Amino acid sequence: AQSVTQPDIHITVSEGASLELRCNYSYGATPYLFWYVQSPGQGLQLLLKYFSGDTLVQGIKGFEAEFKRSQSSFNLRKPSVHWSDAAEYFCAVGAPTYSGAGSYQLTFGKGTKLSVIP
Amino acid sequence: NAGVTQTPKFQVLKTGQSMTLQCAQDMNHEYMSWYRQDPGMGLRLIHYSVGAGITDQGEVPNGYNVSRSTTEDFPLRLLSAAPSQTSVYFCASRNSLNQPQHFGDGTRLSIL
Repeated sequence: AQSVTQPDIHITVSEGASLELRCNYSYGATPYLFWYVQSPGQGLQLLLKYFSGDTLVQGIKGFEAEFKRSQSSFNLRKPSVHWSDAAEYFCAVGAPTYSGAGSYQLTFGKGTKLSVIP
Repeated sequence: NAGVTQTPKFQVLKTGQSMTLQCAQDMNHEYMSWYRQDPGMGLRLIHYSVGAGITDQGEVPNGYNVSRSTTEDFPLRLLSAAPSQTSVYFCASRNSLNQPQHFGDGTRLSIL
């Protein structure tokens, strides 16, 4: 079974600083990879996804992530953080199932809470 | 464009009571799933469905039942609520192809 590790429970950065949130996964083949963001009291919003192809993925709100097979990682980055980026971020791995073409089951990491200092 | 709609948004139950959390989507998605979110635990899959009439268990299915009589609806039933089921519940749906999941806004459930 697949698993996801987000090593950092809580990260604090200054507004305008760069950001990198770490995500490591365990899966025997190439999984589907996702980053979601959750603001307090809200549902989850997809930031970006990787299914195949270019290992550097661009997402919404200026985020990007890079899939590194050799390190089993899919770290999320942003060059300049804004105060509105304060939220909780979840990395997720989708392992294909036999239920149908493209079908997969998601496993989430435990999340990284991001605080932004003005 | 409603997306994934969950009702109710908040609910308080007493131990032993039963209730159904509703989830509806208007995107004709085949795949629907229920997660619970607990502090420090991320989201854990309870049950999922790959189409009408087909359901299966996820990581934490005990104490919950589901059914999928239509493509649009995927209700989650708590047969006898327990305090350990206090959580925030999220419903999600997606196309069966390589598409990401769309999440509802969640149901915050407290069991006393």
